[in-house]
Amino acid sequence: EPEVTQTPSHQVTQMGQEVILRCVPISNHLYFYWYRQILGQKVEFLVSFYNNEISEKSEIFDDQFSVERPDGSNFTLKIRSTKLEDSAMYFCASRRSSQSTDTQYFGPGTRLTVL
Amino acid sequence: GNSVTQMEGPVTLSEEAFLTINCTYTATGYPSLFWYVQYPGEGLQLLLKATKADDKGSNKGFEATYRKETTSFHLEKGSVQVSDSAVYFCALSDKGGGADGLTFGKGTHLIIQP
Repeated sequence: EPEVTQTPSHQVTQMGQEVILRCVPISNHLYFYWYRQILGQKVEFLVSFYNNEISEKSEIFDDQFSVERPDGSNFTLKIRSTKLEDSAMYFCASRRSSQSTDTQYFGPGTRLTVL
Repeated sequence: GNSVTQMEGPVTLSEEAFLTINCTYTATGYPSLFWYVQYPGEGLQLLLKATKADDKGSNKGFEATYRKETTSFHLEKGSVQVSDSAVYFCALSDKGGGADGLTFGKGTHLIIQP
């Protein structure tokens, strides 16, 4: 069964450094998402992406964040200058169609630790 | 705005007990409703969903019915197993056109003791 994959599984970085989190969505999916989950808290929507542009973003997704689909398979989240409070699990998700009834499939997550 | 409220955990039950995890929502439109499960050390997996009022989603013995009149989507299972121990998230999707991030509840940690 096709699945969303994410790399790395765990990323440790120093405050102020840039990180890039990578995702490979399911191949025939067209809509892509990033979420984050701070330890012990709920999963929060960051951004959605379709047709090579951002469709929607939350207030969390400020100027330090950016997303890109650099080729036909990868979908990346870049955090330009990491802060301690960026430490969280970051989940990528993808969906095949625009139907709101269609399921978002999640990857296993990347745990980001900012020191 | 949209929001999802779940019962706080952890919920601790004995094996074969009946499970209910409450979930209520507020939404501006007519949402689709989901339950996701997160097993220890893993990502989120869709457990079940319902897309319109009175729909019942079911999977692996779990059920939830979309109740528009009470804005609820409670998760139930008749007889839980140790392997059901996980964190359960209720979520909604409230926009068409693909530009809809899911709104999640805080999650309910379920612990099943043998």
